[in-house]
Amino acid sequence: NAGVTQTPKFRVLKTGQSMTLLCAQDMNHEYMYWYRQDPGMGLRLIHYSVGEGTTAKGEVPDGYNVSRLKKQNFLLGLESAAPSQTSVYFCASSIGTSGFETQYFGPGTRLLVL
Amino acid sequence: AQTVTQSQPEMSVQEAETVTLSCTYDTSENNYYLFWYKQPPSRQMILVIRQEAYKQQNATENRFSVNFQKAAKSFSLKISDSQLGDTAMYFCAFTLLNTGFQKLVFGTGTRLLVSP
Repeated sequence: NAGVTQTPKFRVLKTGQSMTLLCAQDMNHEYMYWYRQDPGMGLRLIHYSVGEGTTAKGEVPDGYNVSRLKKQNFLLGLESAAPSQTSVYFCASSIGTSGFETQYFGPGTRLLVL
Repeated sequence: AQTVTQSQPEMSVQEAETVTLSCTYDTSENNYYLFWYKQPPSRQMILVIRQEAYKQQNATENRFSVNFQKAAKSFSLKISDSQLGDTAMYFCAFTLLNTGFQKLVFGTGTRLLVSP
């Protein structure tokens, strides 16, 4: 049981390049989330998914797209990377939406956009 | 909009001592949940403890306990018998009860250093 895994762990992009971050969970969770963490700030929600085939915008969605084609995977895409997207990206999943459940986080992806 | 404030950027404590991390939040709603997450140097966030706002009894999890003061909108974390492995960033988080999903709002974190 690996929990939540993220690929890659670290990536350097040039401005304008595109890339996809992959999140996978093996806990059969319905809900998945993408956050970004910037220095001096808490995690902020980018996008989330309430089930296979669904996605929705979070607090800071601009510049990102997501897809949830399979229940266990949640992809975060950057179509044209900008230096402002330099951050650490965390994926999380949870079993449902009682509001009180635990979110299980991945180890993060550090992205540097030059 | 809901906000979470952690006013202590850094704290330090010696092993075996007790430390309290502060958290205040702002909301006009009455039903919500509160959480403390730990982020060790490995970066992976781990839930430490959680509290339902409609429960007056403070939550405890082994060496971790909270002091929940609803009227004051305060949710502090007490770590007893601190251990070296408690060294981490600690984030306070908040979610409303009925948003349709768990939309966590995080504070900016408190870095805790436990020294021998």
